[in-house]
Amino acid sequence: QQQVRQSPQSLTVWEGETAILNCSYENSAFDYFPWYQQFPGEGPALLISILSVSNKKEDGRFTIFFNKREKKLSLHIADSQPGDSATYFCAASNAGAKLTFGGGTRLTVRP
Amino acid sequence: ETAVFQTPNYHVTQVGNEVSFNCKQTLGHDTMYWYKQDSKKLLKIMFSYNNKQLIVNETVPRRFSPQSSDKAHLNLRIKSVEPEDSAVYLCASSDWGGAETLYFGSGTRLTVL
Repeated sequence: QQQVRQSPQSLTVWEGETAILNCSYENSAFDYFPWYQQFPGEGPALLISILSVSNKKEDGRFTIFFNKREKKLSLHIADSQPGDSATYFCAASNAGAKLTFGGGTRLTVRP
Repeated sequence: ETAVFQTPNYHVTQVGNEVSFNCKQTLGHDTMYWYKQDSKKLLKIMFSYNNKQLIVNETVPRRFSPQSSDKAHLNLRIKSVEPEDSAVYLCASSDWGGAETLYFGSGTRLTVL
């Protein structure tokens, strides 16, 4: 059973649009949710993260919206740029346990 | 700036051969990991190693074995590779074995013919 699910599997937006990447989870004990960004030929790198005590986290053009009751979160990328084209992984963990990764969303931003 | 170094970048081999991949981190972290990323980009943890304590993922076939000489190095050996072992193997490190940031290397792409 996959504990962290992401949708869509792939997403294409035009430059300047807002890309919305969705994530849901099963384990109510999860309290830490990082998003990782992976470019081709590279390993994933932490982009932004949120703790379950917050419902929103912003970092420049990247914003996480978190709904604890529904066990859902989303990553919004405002003013998308071609350089944002990458695979984005939602992950979750609790109380020092290992991260559980979702299956990823492949984002393509067309100029 | 890359702080987790993996070698080789690519490796092509035949079924039944033995392969070894190297990983070194210069971040001073206590915990290192091996992840397998398949062709669909799914990330699966294989092993984590914290201060000489190895934590094995029970779903990993026994032909896979991690090897660590110190906390900065965690290598991966695969005895008698199988076609399903074709994947990208990612090494990572973190400050401790919990919800800290994972720092990944660029991966070793293994192709088994």
